[in-house]
Amino acid sequence: DAKTTQPNSMESNEEEPVHLPCNHSTISGTDYIHWYRQLPSQGPEYVIHGLTSNVNNRMASLAIAEDRKSSTLILHRATLRDAAVYYCILRDMIKAAGNKLTFGGGTRVLVKP
Amino acid sequence: DTGVSQDPRHKITKRGQNVTFRCDPISEHNRLYWYRQTLGQGPEFLTYFQNEAQLEKSRLLSDRFSAERPKGSFSTLEIQRTEQGDSAMYLCASSARGPGQGTDTQYFGPGTRLTVL
Repeated sequence: DAKTTQPNSMESNEEEPVHLPCNHSTISGTDYIHWYRQLPSQGPEYVIHGLTSNVNNRMASLAIAEDRKSSTLILHRATLRDAAVYYCILRDMIKAAGNKLTFGGGTRVLVKP
Repeated sequence: DTGVSQDPRHKITKRGQNVTFRCDPISEHNRLYWYRQTLGQGPEFLTYFQNEAQLEKSRLLSDRFSAERPKGSFSTLEIQRTEQGDSAMYLCASSARGPGQGTDTQYFGPGTRLTVL
């Protein structure tokens, strides 16, 4: 699986946007970009994924660079409940049938009240 | 609640003992995964089932580890002759690929925290 690079940690103030970068310069044409997050003492949970176009859902937005070598997860208004470790993961679409998730170190997001 | 459940949530054992964990996936999810997570690290893949067939195993899964999914529903992960290095959170996830999605979403359970003394 292609590798991703994320900052170790980021801080944000409550109700402000958070932009979480992810570099994946070796991404292949069939890799989807997935984001999962892990709240304290819980298993990871799915946040969002995309292939080429920007994506929005109720949790977040995903902005994908035109060359797909980087992406940014955007939390529009951080709340204290968004404090978690956020993982950026690449998954090969061709091998997606049951393929494992390869987690890196992720970005620990701290939200200050 | 129809999410992924794991039992027990916590297990403390002495070195050399055998332990078994259970995972109940979301109903009708045909794919089931086991991961291991040590403190401060991201989860690491251990093994994957599609229905009752174990299709992939990580090199992390030594011969002391065995996983089963006998009827394609719940799964068990057994660790024999536990070692202190086995102390970790063991996570189970399940998924079901839908048509046209191109990929599937994994839903994780709360994990079983194993402490080997």
